[in-house]
Amino acid sequence: GAVVSQHPSWVICKSGTSVKIECRSLDFQATTMFWYRQFPKQSLMLMATSNEGSKATYEQGVEKDKFLINHASLTLSTLTVTSAHPEDSSFYICSARDQVGADTQYFGPGTRLTVL
Amino acid sequence: EDQVTQSPEALRLQEGESSSLNCSYTVSGLRGLFWYRQDPGKGPEFLFTLYSAGEEKEKERLKATLTKKESFLHITAPKPEDSATYLCAVALIQGAQKLVFGQGTRLTINP
Repeated sequence: GAVVSQHPSWVICKSGTSVKIECRSLDFQATTMFWYRQFPKQSLMLMATSNEGSKATYEQGVEKDKFLINHASLTLSTLTVTSAHPEDSSFYICSARDQVGADTQYFGPGTRLTVL
Repeated sequence: EDQVTQSPEALRLQEGESSSLNCSYTVSGLRGLFWYRQDPGKGPEFLFTLYSAGEEKEKERLKATLTKKESFLHITAPKPEDSATYLCAVALIQGAQKLVFGQGTRLTINP
């Protein structure tokens, strides 16, 4: 149980374009999902907390107009990187909790974004 | 400031050589401590959740323990397939659902 998927697993795009990454909870409903980014040989950095039916909460220093998050259903959250630039190249990972009030987060397989 | 520190940064062992990874934390109020395993190019895989000092959990060759200031991940008779980065994270009592991660320990098991 508690399986989280992401799509695509990798994407290459040109500078200035937008890229959408999907995060789905496959066998449970997730009222809250989390988006992280991870640079090579570094740990996970939380970008934002996505709540179903409401606005996402962004961490300090994360541009909400650049990283658009939509959590329109209990099983799907999307992260759109708008006007991507090479410095946005990173590994993006989502996670979800399988129960309201639970602490354990289950992570997706990640999406490798490369901006040329 | 809430902090999670893992040591060592990297560890190389021979197959069958048991050892321990450390996760020390300085937080305002601990709600829970988590261990994850991460393989290169993949998302973290959940291993254990620990909630109170003295608690222990086991899974195959791994055992996690918790004290009031740190957690240990003991690996017994490791195999090459145990090679991965092991991440420790804490959830805070007043943490707005967030996890605070340590930098991880890169474990390599040589055959």
